[in-house]
Amino acid sequence: AQSVTQLGSHVSVSEGALVLLRCNYSSSVPPYLFWYVQYPNQGLQLLLKYTSAATLVKGINGFEAEFKKSETSFHLTKPSAHMSDAAEYFCAVSQGEYGNKLVFGAGTILRVKS
Amino acid sequence: NAGVTQTPKFRVLKTGQSMTLLCAQDMNHEYMYWYRQDPGMGLRLIHYSVGEGTTAKGEVPDGYNVSRLKKQNFLLGLESAAPSQTSVYFCASRTIYSGSKSIYGYTFGSGTRLTVV
Repeated sequence: AQSVTQLGSHVSVSEGALVLLRCNYSSSVPPYLFWYVQYPNQGLQLLLKYTSAATLVKGINGFEAEFKKSETSFHLTKPSAHMSDAAEYFCAVSQGEYGNKLVFGAGTILRVKS
Repeated sequence: NAGVTQTPKFRVLKTGQSMTLLCAQDMNHEYMYWYRQDPGMGLRLIHYSVGEGTTAKGEVPDGYNVSRLKKQNFLLGLESAAPSQTSVYFCASRTIYSGSKSIYGYTFGSGTRLTVV
């Protein structure tokens, strides 16, 4: 069964600092991987997705993620944090022939300090 | 605007009451999903549907029923609400067709916040 582990339920960075949110997955077949962001009291917004094309994926708002098969990782990064990046971030994996269900990690709350 | 619409946005139920959450999408998507979100647990799949008239159980289906009588609508029912069903519920949809704009493009609704007292 596929699963996702997000290391660190809370991450705090200073404004302008590097953002690194960690995601490891387990999957018996090549996965499709996603990062979503959720602002307070809102729905989920897709940041970026990996679908077996380029291993370095660029998303919206300056975020990017690199798929590393050998490490089964798909960490999310942003070179310089902005106050508006404060939100909860979810990594998700999808596989399977039927329904292509998304399996989510537990989420990481990002706090940006001024 | 095209997308996924969930109604209601907020609801408070008493234990034992029943209710139905409605999810409607106008993108002609084949697949639809119901998730629940709880703090520290991410989103967990309750039920899903791969087409009109078909439904299947997800990870946490107990206490819920669903129906997909029309392609655009996916209903989630709670027959006898329990405090453990206090959560935020999200509906999502996606097409089966791949393509640069739509491959694995899930669209989420804005959520329904349900409290069972």
